[in-house]
Amino acid sequence: GESVGLHLPTLSVQEGDNSIINCAYSNSASDYFIWYKQESGKGPQFIIDIRSNMDKRQGQRVTVLLNKTVKHLSLQIAATQPGDSAVYFCAESSNDYKLSFGAGTTVTVRA
Amino acid sequence: NAGVTQTPKFQVLKTGQSMTLQCAQDMNHNSMYWYRQDPGMGLRLIYYSASEGTTDKGEVPNGYNVSRLNKREFSLRLESAAPSQTSVYFCASSEEETGYNEQFFGPGTRLTVL
Repeated sequence: GESVGLHLPTLSVQEGDNSIINCAYSNSASDYFIWYKQESGKGPQFIIDIRSNMDKRQGQRVTVLLNKTVKHLSLQIAATQPGDSAVYFCAESSNDYKLSFGAGTTVTVRA
Repeated sequence: NAGVTQTPKFQVLKTGQSMTLQCAQDMNHNSMYWYRQDPGMGLRLIYYSASEGTTDKGEVPNGYNVSRLNKREFSLRLESAAPSQTSVYFCASSEEETGYNEQFFGPGTRLTVL
């Protein structure tokens, strides 16, 4: 069945460095992908999304890359800050209503 | 705008008790969702409502019922709570946009069933 997963459950990064969070998906019919950030005790917060007709999309300090050939998605965070410490989830959808979430990667920023 | 609000924030139940989790959104969104999140796992969809008057099962609907009361409100009911339903419950909403489905989440309800 479909699954969305992240390669590593935890990531430790030095403040100021760039972070790369990876995600693999198995449903080749997925056409929409989204990254969420979840801070402790809060609900997920939208970061950035991308459609399958694109392979790169940039936001403020974040870039999402999509490689449909190997079914891989990544989130790059530039100049990581302490406020970036959180759990990051990727999610995918093959229709307009339902998202399937991965298990999440916990990012810890070292001062 | 408050966005998506959920009540209560915390709840402790005994096995067999019932309760309703409330969710409301003020963004005039058509679609609403209920998820549960267990430790170390992503969110799993319980039920969703694509539009007012419709509801559909998600990935883990057993033990739950929902009501789309109006466009703003979507409630989740546990008729007979079980310890396996101990979890954090999130409500979300989204506009009905073809091809995009950014969902906005509430702060969550932390439920413990003893």
